[in-house]
Amino acid sequence: ETGVTQTPRHLVMGMTNKKSLKCEQHLGHNAMYWYKQSAKKPLELMFVYNFKEQTENNSVPSRFSPECPNSSHLFLHLHTLQPEDSALYLCASSQGWTSGSVNEQFFGPGTRLTVL
Amino acid sequence: AQTVTQSQPEMSVQEAETVTLSCTYDTSESDYYLFWYKQPPSRQMILVIRQEAYKQQNATENRFSVNFQKAAKSFSLKISDSQLGDAAMYFCAYRNTGTASKLTFGTGTRLQVTL
Repeated sequence: ETGVTQTPRHLVMGMTNKKSLKCEQHLGHNAMYWYKQSAKKPLELMFVYNFKEQTENNSVPSRFSPECPNSSHLFLHLHTLQPEDSALYLCASSQGWTSGSVNEQFFGPGTRLTVL
Repeated sequence: AQTVTQSQPEMSVQEAETVTLSCTYDTSESDYYLFWYKQPPSRQMILVIRQEAYKQQNATENRFSVNFQKAAKSFSLKISDSQLGDAAMYFCAYRNTGTASKLTFGTGTRLQVTL
C-alpha cells in the first residue's frame, strides 16, 4: 500500500463516451500529478497541481480535463478520446514544492484505459 | 530540455548474480536529482534509489547501488545478489532542483531474473 489509490483499474470506453479517472492520496501531500504511460515510450507528464493550483499542462489535448478539488483528490475527465489515447494513466503525489527538497513522488497503480 | 536515455530495452540476470542497468542524461544544470524507479508487473511504480547531484558519494540502498559519474552524465544502477522479486521494468528519471518538480523519465529497461 503506497498510499495512492486509483479507480477504476481498468476502463474500456468508446470514442463518444465521457468518463473520469480518480486518484486519491492518503500521504498528506500537497502536489499531485497525472502521467501517461504508453508502450516503449517514456512516461509523459500531463498535468501537475501544487496546493490545488495547476502549475503545468504539458501540451495535453483538451479532451483531457483535470480537476483537483483538494490536495487529496485528483480527477482526469475524459471525453471524445481517440484510440491512440489508450494507455496506462498513472497518478502520483509528493510533498508541496519547497526549494531544496527532493519531493519524492509516490505513484498509484494506474488505470489501464482502452479506447475503442 | 533535459533528456534521459536508457539504451538497454531488456536485460537478464541469474538469481544471486549482479547486474548493471545503464542510464545517461543530458542537462545544462549543475544541481539536480536522479532516481531509479521500479515497476513490477503489478504496475505500482516505486522508488528504488535516488542521488543528489551535489553529493559525490554514490547512493546505496541495501542490494541496490548507483555509479554516478557527473562529468559523463551517467547514472547506472547495480543490483547485487539478484532475486526473483527484482524482475520488473526499471526507469531512470531526472529532476531539476528548485520549485519545479517535473520528472523526466527514460524509456525503461525490462529486467528478467532467471533461476
